[in-house]
Amino acid sequence: QKEVEQNSGPLSVPEGAIASLNCTYSDRGSQSFFWYRQYSGKSPELIMSIYSNGDKEDGRFTAQLNKASQYVSLLIRDSQPSDSATYLCAVNLDRGSTLGRLYFGRGTQLTVWP
Amino acid sequence: DTAVSQTPKYLVTQMGNDKSIKCEQNLGHDTMYWYKQDSKKFLKIMFSYNNKELIINETVPNRFSPKSPDKAHLNLHINSLELGDSAVYFCASSQRVPAEQYFGPGTRLTVT
Repeated sequence: QKEVEQNSGPLSVPEGAIASLNCTYSDRGSQSFFWYRQYSGKSPELIMSIYSNGDKEDGRFTAQLNKASQYVSLLIRDSQPSDSATYLCAVNLDRGSTLGRLYFGRGTQLTVWP
Repeated sequence: DTAVSQTPKYLVTQMGNDKSIKCEQNLGHDTMYWYKQDSKKFLKIMFSYNNKELIINETVPNRFSPKSPDKAHLNLHINSLELGDSAVYFCASSQRVPAEQYFGPGTRLTVT
């Protein structure tokens, strides 16, 4: 069973704090990792992609990947109330495949309170 | 200049009916997808087309039939709708596979 697991949350942080979202995946051969943000009643919006071990920064967002531990995380610095949403981790689990089959975690609901 | 668009946005219908959802992308992407998001917000892939060729066909009832007339369009036809088909259906596209996928606004299907 191919799985992507996320902390179910909800995660609640004060404005200005760092929000840390975690994701683990079952298939060691996974190659591509994505974080999506989904506001209530809206569609998933891609905010980060990461393909190599280490950190990738984009503005207030940092994605961290550790393939040995099968772990990917998203840090949101200086959290704002507008960051309140559900964050979905997505992983391409097909080893060597080019099918683009993404498996999603069930999401972590983040609330940033003023 | 919407990137990925879907019609209709809302669809309310009775059990046993047949309905279609349409998707169009103007990003020039080669690959398009259909996802289903259930009431618990779990997002699961259903189908994928690459240049009009079906490349992903997950375990989905054969009442669901995708069609891609060209690489910018992907439609989903559902026969004999059931209560369990109620969900939000998202279309997505990507330039290559595997790659970043961009989602349409979704179609909320309610079967009564």
